[in-house]
Amino acid sequence: TQLLEQSPQFLSIQEGENLTVYCNSSSVFSSLQWYRQEPGEGPVLLVTVVTGGEVKKLKRLTFQFGDARKDSSLHITAAQPGDTGLYLCAGLSGGSNYKLTFGKGTLLTVNP
Amino acid sequence: NAGVMQNPRHLVRRRGQEARLRCSPMKGHSHVYWYRQLPEEGLKFMVYLQKENIIDESGMPKERFSAEFPKEGPSILRIQQVVRGDSAAYFCASSPELAGSSYNEQFFGPGTRLTVL
Repeated sequence: TQLLEQSPQFLSIQEGENLTVYCNSSSVFSSLQWYRQEPGEGPVLLVTVVTGGEVKKLKRLTFQFGDARKDSSLHITAAQPGDTGLYLCAGLSGGSNYKLTFGKGTLLTVNP
Repeated sequence: NAGVMQNPRHLVRRRGQEARLRCSPMKGHSHVYWYRQLPEEGLKFMVYLQKENIIDESGMPKERFSAEFPKEGPSILRIQQVVRGDSAAYFCASSPELAGSSYNEQFFGPGTRLTVL
């Protein structure tokens, strides 16, 4: 069973601060997706990374896939209250191109 | 530009009753996936369906759970004789034709929160 460990589990910061959250595994993933989930809603896809070492930017969010495709990070610059939510990473591995394995998420709170 | 639709959003059942959860995929999507999110747990894959076919049900409990995606109409996840441990959020996701072997972007619905009394 492939496991994705996300850290930290909880993060509370002030508006304007920078932060990084991590997604780690001992397994290799063919691709990794980041989602944000708000209370009472479903996960919303933010980005997919496929190539080892890949970096993708989405406005103030920067996503990186590790060279060995076992880990990923999400960096947010100048966080805003609207960034508050549960950030989930999910990966495809083991030859499957549809069975996503999810981490438990990082719950981010950005205080005004 | 409708996304994945699920209904009901909240469902309350007593032990022993049946729960039926519905999912309409995004327009143009022919692949449907069901996931379950238990309290304090991550989302877990349950089943993958295409129209009229179950492709992979390896994540589904062997008893009481079934899923279908008929030629016409929404996908249905059915739980018979519910027990308290079935209380969870059930999410449906859909995708277009799978993009080769490297990745598959799945788009999630808002979920159905099932509470078993």
